[in-house]
Amino acid sequence: QVQLQESGPGLVKPSETLSLTCTVSGDSISNHYWSWVRQPPGKGLEWIGYIRYSVSTAYNPSLKSRVTISLDTSKNQFSLNQFSLKLTSVTAADTAVYYCARYDSGGYYWVYWGQGALVTVSS
Amino acid sequence: QSALTQPASVSGSPGQSITISCTGTSSDVGAYKYVSWYQQHPGKAPKLMIYEVSNRPSGVSNRFAGSKSGNTASLTISGLQAEDEADYYCSSYTTSSTYVFGTGTKVTVL
Repeated sequence: QVQLQESGPGLVKPSETLSLTCTVSGDSISNHYWSWVRQPPGKGLEWIGYIRYSVSTAYNPSLKSRVTISLDTSKNQFSLNQFSLKLTSVTAADTAVYYCARYDSGGYYWVYWGQGALVTVSS
Repeated sequence: QSALTQPASVSGSPGQSITISCTGTSSDVGAYKYVSWYQQHPGKAPKLMIYEVSNRPSGVSNRFAGSKSGNTASLTISGLQAEDEADYYCSSYTTSSTYVFGTGTKVTVL
């Protein structure tokens, strides 16, 4: 059973860096594509980006200059693995629930999702 | 990239059928078969309902059906049930190798 869990500060000050970690269990992050999606309160979903182990990353053009997604692998195939999101120079518009998610094997749709983590940008 | 266009709300009575449209461009919905649909209940993570235009994952009711014509994809829910009341989002892979979501549709069961 694949499970994802987001973790990180729930409050970030304007102009600072938002950092979140997604812990994956039941799968190895050396497989598949791994993604971040966010949802401002009361609004729709927005794709942030993805990473594919040792192959590639891709980001939403509107966020590309501020976003980095990276992996933290473990040597054991099914031990806990993590990937992270960093978003710099945040403003109130970055307040959202942030979801980590795993794509299908081809990287075209999201099969598994974390429960989401609310991050509020406020001084 | 612009969000795909969905109606803000759709409603129906129990047992009825409803259809949600998802309109994009020749650079996203019209370009590939990689259109997917997600159901989201309040306070919950999205759940995959349809992938590759018309395929249902294991465990998803066959009351949910997807289709596509040109730049518009559609999700039809037949035999509407109270548990179907939720927000629904479409998504598409794009010719820029990115992904875009729809604006979202709130489904209300009357």
